[in-house]
Amino acid sequence: DSGVTQTPKHLITATGQRVTLRCSPRSGDLSVYWYQQSLDQGLQFLIQYYNGEERAKGNILERFSAQQFPDLHSELNLSSLELGDSALYFCASSVEARDQPQHFGDGTRLSIL
Amino acid sequence: DQQVKQNSPSLSVQEGRISILNCDYTNSMFDYFLWYKKYPAEGPTFLISISSIKDKNEDGRFTVFLNKSAKHLSLHIVPSQPGDSAVYFCAASGYNFNKFYFGSGTKLNVKP
Repeated sequence: DSGVTQTPKHLITATGQRVTLRCSPRSGDLSVYWYQQSLDQGLQFLIQYYNGEERAKGNILERFSAQQFPDLHSELNLSSLELGDSALYFCASSVEARDQPQHFGDGTRLSIL
Repeated sequence: DQQVKQNSPSLSVQEGRISILNCDYTNSMFDYFLWYKKYPAEGPTFLISISSIKDKNEDGRFTVFLNKSAKHLSLHIVPSQPGDSAVYFCAASGYNFNKFYFGSGTKLNVKP
């Protein structure tokens, strides 16, 4: 058990819709990372937050946004969904901003119909 | 643009033998390299890392080798065990640790 909780585990929705993925980091971890894994692809870095502030941005689409709340949980918002957004979305956490993503959640599988 | 590449999607090895997983990268500014292991329906688990000032790092049965001139790293598992069967991802980052780039993974199957 990594200590990172992601909800929901599965999400099925339609094109054009908006969804919110939630991540609770491991206790004591201040840094949260979001990754997208499409079929047979590696993990694509989306965004990192540290203690409520955005620290680094990767290949995150403008239709996507994220935030980290005072209690350190994070949400990834995906809007105007397209078929190509179907993927596994992983959240990871670590203690410091300059750590590697240490603890990963089990992911949220998003399916766009 | 894939900056970290794992060109072997799968690898099959007999229990007790050595498993060698390979990873290539293109960005010479990468300074820190990691390997993760992932079981089905779980998130990746950090396995071992190496910084560019070293060419080898060992942790039990797992050893990572770094060849900076070739922009190549490898993970050796000796001896391989059936429980090592998983997908292995390599990842790399620059000195500021602000972005980690992952390869597409190699699925290792260790046969009993």
